[in-house]
Amino acid sequence: GESVGLHLPTLSVQEGDNSIINCAYSNSASDYFIWYKQESGKGPQFIIDIRSNMDKRQGQRVTVLLNKTVKHLSLQIAATQPGDSAVYFCAEIGNQFYFGTGTSLTVIP
Amino acid sequence: DAGVIQSPRHEVTEMGQEVTLRCKPISGHNSLFWYRQTMMRGLELLIYFNNNVPIDDSGMPEDRFSAKMPNASFSTLKIQPSEPRDSAVYFCASSLSANNEQFFGPGTRLTVL
Repeated sequence: GESVGLHLPTLSVQEGDNSIINCAYSNSASDYFIWYKQESGKGPQFIIDIRSNMDKRQGQRVTVLLNKTVKHLSLQIAATQPGDSAVYFCAEIGNQFYFGTGTSLTVIP
Repeated sequence: DAGVIQSPRHEVTEMGQEVTLRCKPISGHNSLFWYRQTMMRGLELLIYFNNNVPIDDSGMPEDRFSAKMPNASFSTLKIQPSEPRDSAVYFCASSLSANNEQFFGPGTRLTVL
């Protein structure tokens, strides 16, 4: 079946560097994408979203890029901080709902 | 608003017992989702409701799982009988509508011995 998958299961970055987390999706009909952050022992928390009619959206320190041609989604975190350490999921919303397996981000002080 | 509320936070039970997980969505949200999270399979959608009506239950593993939403402010996920492979964290989430941001509860960690 169609699914959402992540390229990198783990990512370690130095504090202050930028982080990029990638996600591939396969359902062309999906029109809404969300990035979630999950800290240990907690539920996923919304970070940023993007609709399929856009290719870029910026928030506070975060940017999501959507490339519909290659069905690729990325999350960029600027000036990564220790509090950004968590697992990040991309979610694909269309006629169905899929979550990626997650990327574990570790920020090294 | 207190956000999505789930109970219990932790549940330990023996194989064969019935387990009932509870969820209170955010007031005003029309869609409610039940997810299961494991290390092996990640986050899986089990079922979701729109306006208290089950829309897609294709993710429910088998007949041992059932979910109800008797009103807009309460939903249950029941496993009967429970098995060790049901051990996981179960999340409830709600959203204004199906294609909007989902707000997750803190989850219920279920351990079936």
